[in-house]
Amino acid sequence: AQSVTQLDSQVPVFEEAPVELRCNYSSSVSVYLFWYVQYPNQGLQLLLKYLSGSTLVKGINGFEAEFNKSQTSFHLRKPSVHISDTAEYFCAAKESWGKLQFGAGTQVVVTP
Amino acid sequence: NAGVTQTPKFQVLKTGQSMTLQCAQDMNHEYMSWYRQDPGMGLRLIHYSVGAGITDQGEVPNGYNVSRSTTEDFPLRLLSAAPSQTSVYFCASRSPGGGTEAFFGQGTRLTVV
Repeated sequence: AQSVTQLDSQVPVFEEAPVELRCNYSSSVSVYLFWYVQYPNQGLQLLLKYLSGSTLVKGINGFEAEFNKSQTSFHLRKPSVHISDTAEYFCAAKESWGKLQFGAGTQVVVTP
Repeated sequence: NAGVTQTPKFQVLKTGQSMTLQCAQDMNHEYMSWYRQDPGMGLRLIHYSVGAGITDQGEVPNGYNVSRSTTEDFPLRLLSAAPSQTSVYFCASRSPGGGTEAFFGQGTRLTVV
């Protein structure tokens, strides 16, 4: 069975600094990988996804993620964060015919 | 374009009471799911449906029932609420296919006292 591990529960970062959120997955087969963002008191919305092809995936709001098959990782990055990026970020994985499995989430707190 | 609509947004129940959380989507998605979100545990799948008349259990189904009589609606029923069911509940829908995006509702914050 697949599982998703987000290595940091909380990441404090200063405005305009870069941020990286780490995600590892375990699966014996190919998976589809997703990053979702949850702003306070809202539902989740998709930031980006990896299905196949180029290992560098670009998403909305300046985020990007890199799929690394050998390390079974899908880390999310943004070169310069804004106050409005304060949110919880969820990594998720899905095998072809399986169910979407979420990590525990990483809370990003951006301060001036 | 409403997307996925959940009602109510907030609810307080007493232990043993029953209630139904409503979920409706207007995107004609075949797949719908219910998740619960608890601190430090991410989202856990309660029940899901791959089409009208078809439902199945997820990771944490105990204490919850679902039905899917139409493509649009997927209500979640708590038959006898317990404090352990205090959580934030999210409904999601998506099209079939391995890599399709799931669209989420705004959530229902449920407190059982």
